[in-house]
Amino acid sequence: GALVYQYPRRTICKSGTSMRMECQAVGFQATSVAWYRQSPQKTFELIALSTVNSAIKYEQNFTQEKFPISHPNLSFSSMTVLNAYLEDRGLYLCGARTDSGNTLYFGEGSRLIVV
Amino acid sequence: GDSVTQKQGQVTLSEDDFLFINCTYSTTTYPTLLWYVQYLGQGPQLLLKVTTANNKGISRGFEATYDKGTTSFHLQKASVQESDSAVYFCALGSSGSWQLIFGSGTQLTVMP
Repeated sequence: GALVYQYPRRTICKSGTSMRMECQAVGFQATSVAWYRQSPQKTFELIALSTVNSAIKYEQNFTQEKFPISHPNLSFSSMTVLNAYLEDRGLYLCGARTDSGNTLYFGEGSRLIVV
Repeated sequence: GDSVTQKQGQVTLSEDDFLFINCTYSTTTYPTLLWYVQYLGQGPQLLLKVTTANNKGISRGFEATYDKGTTSFHLQKASVQESDSAVYFCALGSSGSWQLIFGSGTQLTVMP
């Protein structure tokens, strides 16, 4: 079955420092990846949509300068949160998708705690 | 724009109770409707999905029917167990974009 692994599961970083998170698809080809942030209240914010060999599309309020994303092949994507501050706290989820359909398969998430 | 509404923030039941979680959606395109379940400390897992009107998705005792007339995709289970305690998210995928739009989630607590 489709599995998505995210690493690290949890990071505590000092305000103003950066955190890089990775997303690995196993058992399928992740042609597209959606990065979401889930708030403590459980709501989802879409950060960006990434398709291999295409430009990454960022949602309003999220920029490449703040959340650079790499999606070099069909099994791997990474995202960095640069200069993290308190408002960047949350669970960052990677949802991977194959060519067909709208189903996203999520990893366990990378939780960012900023102190 | 497209949207998903889950009105119930929390549902508390006892084991063997009937579960009903409300979900309505709004879109101008042909939707894919999904339910995800998120257990404590984990990421969302796909529970079931339906792409054709009037069809029912069934998984692990849960079922949901895509009702085009009422634009609803309510989740039901005949008899819940304590292990079903989790947050349930209704999600909408539209034909114009492959991103998913999530509802606000319903926290289900099942008492033993």
